[in-house]
Amino acid sequence: EVQLVQSGAEVKKPGESLKISCKGSGYSFTNYWIGWVRQMPGKGLEWMGVIYPSNSDTRYNPSFQGQVTISADKSITTAYVQWSSLKASDTAMYYCARLRVGYCGGDCYPFDSWGQGTLVTVSS
Amino acid sequence: DIQLTQSPSFLSASVGDRVTITCRASQDISGYLAWYQQKPGKAPNLLIYAASTLESGVPSRFSGSGSGTEFTLTISNLQPEDLATYYCQQLIRYPPDYTFGQGTRLEI
Repeated sequence: EVQLVQSGAEVKKPGESLKISCKGSGYSFTNYWIGWVRQMPGKGLEWMGVIYPSNSDTRYNPSFQGQVTISADKSITTAYVQWSSLKASDTAMYYCARLRVGYCGGDCYPFDSWGQGTLVTVSS
Repeated sequence: DIQLTQSPSFLSASVGDRVTITCRASQDISGYLAWYQQKPGKAPNLLIYAASTLESGVPSRFSGSGSGTEFTLTISNLQPEDLATYYCQQLIRYPPDYTFGQGTRLEI
């Protein structure tokens, strides 16, 4: 069974750093892209970026480029997103998801399995 | 950037009804579209990809259609457990763009 298990909820102050994790199991971790998605309170879904754990090839949504860093450690089948200096506006639920190849007329990558989410609260 | 616009933003229907949600892309995305269901307090769940391919394990009352710039998600024989917010998502790979629509909240 494919599972993505995310780290627990975090409460931080503005300016602090943070790294949250997403551990994959039940499949070949290095052969699938992992994506990160933000959901601010009461709002919709925003894709932040994707990473290919085999070689750490990372692609960012331009809106998140420079704001977060996405990484992966294939030896422990875990992906991460980190912030160097949190802002109150980073308060959100963060989801990781596996991208599985499909065929949309060419290869496409729907987000087929999701983690349970990590709630990040940034408040002074 | 390609934008996805869903309509309506809110939908109220009754058990047994058939409902349709529309997703319009600002540019031609061929069949590179997925639909997700997000129940309250839960992670999203993939329903359909390639505009019309039903994900394994998803009830057949869910169906998708469309290509290019206009897509629809149809739910037939609505059930109480279908209460959720539904999102479309483009699946553009080069350059990667996995933008979601703004969501449609379905009330039963």
